[in-house]
Order: sequence, then structure tokens, then C-alpha cells
Amino acid sequence: TQRLEQSPRFLSIQEGQDFTARCSSSTTFPQLYWYRQVPREGPVILVTLVKSGEVKEQRRMTAKFGEARKNSSLFIARAQPGDAGIYFCTGKNGGNNKLTFGQGTVLSVIP
Amino acid sequence: EAAVTQSPRNKVAVTGGKVTLSCNQTNNHNNMYWYRQDTGHGLRLIHYSYGAGSTEKGDIPDGYKASRPSQENFSLILELATPSQTSVYFCASGDAPGISDYTFGSGTRLLVI
Repeated sequence: TQRLEQSPRFLSIQEGQDFTARCSSSTTFPQLYWYRQVPREGPVILVTLVKSGEVKEQRRMTAKFGEARKNSSLFIARAQPGDAGIYFCTGKNGGNNKLTFGQGTVLSVIP
Repeated sequence: EAAVTQSPRNKVAVTGGKVTLSCNQTNNHNNMYWYRQDTGHGLRLIHYSYGAGSTEKGDIPDGYKASRPSQENFSLILELATPSQTSVYFCASGDAPGISDYTFGSGTRLLVI
């Protein structure tokens, strides 16, 4: 079974600080996704990465996919309380379309 | 609006009892998935389906069955519930091939006592 390791597991920052979540695997993934989950809801997609070395920027968020497709990072600038939640990196196994989840990074943002 | 709806939202069951968790999607997706979420484990895949009539074992299928009677509906069945199955269960739909993401339901909190 492919595994995704995330770091840090927990992070508490002040409003306005930057935040980086990292994700790594010993195997390659053809596609990698970042999801965010808030309490009592399912995960919601943030960004999709499909190309080696890809960088996607959306407002305050920048997501990167490693050249070897084994790691990724998610950077959020000037965090706001609404950014709090659990951030999951997930990889899709191309053959059967199953998603493998990392353990998640729990982010708290202190106003 | 396309969505994934789970029922019930909360369930308390007794050990040894039968539990059925239901999921309905209006995305017209072929694939549907059942995950459970426990602290420290992220989401783990229990069963999935490629379409009506199909069910496949995921990474942790033991103690669970699944049923996909139609494109829209996918159920997770615990024939003999155990306290270790206390968890939050999420259903999702997605499509293949391509790079489409999943749409998740809001989850079902199951407590087995």
C-alpha cells in the first residue's frame, strides 16, 4: 500500500503568519491533491497537481509538486482564522482511481 | 446542485447489531467510495465501486460489506457491529479516467456500544 507522510502533524500559528504543509512518499503518484477539512464536514478539494515540478498559485495559496512526483508542499500566506482545519495530501493510484490519504496536518490560527 | 448526501448523520448501535450507512450522489459519477476517519490515521478506504452492481475491497474491508444497487446509491453494511468500528464514515463520489477530484459527503458518526 502506498503511503503519504505529512509534516508537521499539528501547527498553531498567529493570524497573519505564513504556513507550510509538506507531504512525501517513497513511491510516485501520477496525481496529487490537497484537501482541507473542517469539523463535521468532509474534505474539500483545494488544488490538483498533475505535472512534475508543477507550481499552482491561487490567491494566498501556492502548491508545488516535486520533480520526481514523490513530494509536495502547500504554502498559505498571511493565514486567517478561516484557514484553520486539517490539510490532507492525497495521491491517486492511476489504475483504479483510489485516493490514498496522508495523516493530515492540523492547523490552528489564533486571532 | 450536485452533491453527496449521507444518512444518518449520527448513529448509536449496540455490539453485534447490524448497521447500514447510506450514501446518495447526484453527480452522476461512476465511482463511489467509503472511507473511515480515525484520529492519527487520516482517511482509510473500506470499499469502493465502479458502478451499479460492482463492489471492490479497499484497504481495510474486514468487518464491512458494501452494496451498489444503482448509480446514485452506495451503502456500507456492518453485519455484526463491534466497538472498534466506532468512527466517522465518509462517502465520496468521483469519476474516471482523468484528473477529476472527489466530492465527499458530510460524514456519519457511528458509536458502537
